[in-house]
Amino acid sequence: DTAVSQTPKYLVTQMGNDKSIKCEQNLGHDTMYWYKQDSKKFLKIMFSYNNKELIINETVPNRFSPKSPDKAHLNLHINSLELGDSAVYFCASSQDSVYQAGNTGELFFGEGSRLTVL
Amino acid sequence: RKEVEQDPGPFNVPEGATVAFNCTYSNSASQSFFWYRQDCRKEPKLLMSVYSSGNEDGRFTAQLNRASQYISLLIRDSKLSDSATYLCVVSLYGGATNKLIFGTGTLLAVQP
Repeated sequence: DTAVSQTPKYLVTQMGNDKSIKCEQNLGHDTMYWYKQDSKKFLKIMFSYNNKELIINETVPNRFSPKSPDKAHLNLHINSLELGDSAVYFCASSQDSVYQAGNTGELFFGEGSRLTVL
Repeated sequence: RKEVEQDPGPFNVPEGATVAFNCTYSNSASQSFFWYRQDCRKEPKLLMSVYSSGNEDGRFTAQLNRASQYISLLIRDSKLSDSATYLCVVSLYGGATNKLIFGTGTLLAVQP
């Protein structure tokens, strides 16, 4: 059973289009994340949700809109795609967002969704 | 200055060699520290946490120097399967958030 699964794995689209990436985790975690990994392999956090509530919103263009229908799902919708949006987008989950004894801070990542904007 | 800095490498080493990676972080309020491993075209996975007293897991040893804001990873007796990118990760806690900041990674290539 895949712990964190995201679809699609590959996405090739034209500039100006709107696309969505879906993510689901079956680990029972409270917190989910979207990270972007660019061509230089730099992994940068975009958003984080804890129990469907947005708790981290980094400086991301408002063309990117996350949605969490329940704590097991976090989807990412991107409007008006630009060339610079080409990257690998990783969904991740963790046990909790707040440090507690026993919380290792470990993130469990999905396999990534490779987005190419032409 | 980047929040977490690493030498990107690549480090090309023969099998059996010992190799060390270093990492520095800029925020002295950082609370927890980790090394993640990312294979080519795969997702990052936790390799080990880094504790103040230093810790070892088989061939891997991690060290933390809070005064110098410096983290290291030592790999002994390198295997071909150790070839990957090693990501230094620092955790910041603020209110209800637990934000993991990733370094850009150090690429290790172990040669037969």
